[in-house]
Amino acid sequence: EAGVAQSPRYKIIEKRQSVAFWCNPISGHATLYWYQQILGQGPKLLIQFQNNGVVDDSQLPKDRFSAERLKGVDSTLKIQPAKLEDSAVYLCASSLVLASEQFFGPGTRLTVL
Amino acid sequence: GQQVMQIPQYQHVQEGEDFTTYCNSSTTLSNIQWYKQRPGGHPVFLIQLVKSGEVKKQKRLTFQFGEAKKNSSLHITATQTTDVGTYFCGYNKLIFGAGTRLAVHP
Repeated sequence: EAGVAQSPRYKIIEKRQSVAFWCNPISGHATLYWYQQILGQGPKLLIQFQNNGVVDDSQLPKDRFSAERLKGVDSTLKIQPAKLEDSAVYLCASSLVLASEQFFGPGTRLTVL
Repeated sequence: GQQVMQIPQYQHVQEGEDFTTYCNSSTTLSNIQWYKQRPGGHPVFLIQLVKSGEVKKQKRLTFQFGEAKKNSSLHITATQTTDVGTYFCGYNKLIFGAGTRLAVHP
């Protein structure tokens, strides 16, 4: 079974630029999550989708971050414009149903200069 | 809001020693999950606990969920170098604790 795919794996941008990350969850997984993990900290949930609907986006900085999951399969997370403090690993995870085991992708390491 | 404290932040052990990490909440948790993240890797699911007082074992790992469902622990017996990593508890929907980083010296 293929795991959660994410791209790119690494991205370096300058502040005020835009960036987008892509995630393809495990086939059949209804729930998709985006996390931000700053070095030395636990993952912080940014947004959670159930199929193509948003379940929770309370911690998403909506002035600069946006995410979508068209057709309830793959998802994109965008940052526009980026700030220095956005430097982190962005993890995508999926689960079969809400509150079940989450499978994480390899993450995208973002560096904002 | 709900807060979970994970202790200790760091633990250095000699190979063969035991290790325990704790996840403590000020409020009742509906469930708790434990994940392991190797250096440079992504979190990998270990276990989910749902019932009050639940105890589950996976080889050298023992997971417990408190009777009041406010705390949980992960205990590793006779650590090995392959146990190196950061152990996170995650609860409810999922909110992660800060993690316990385990270093094992051979």
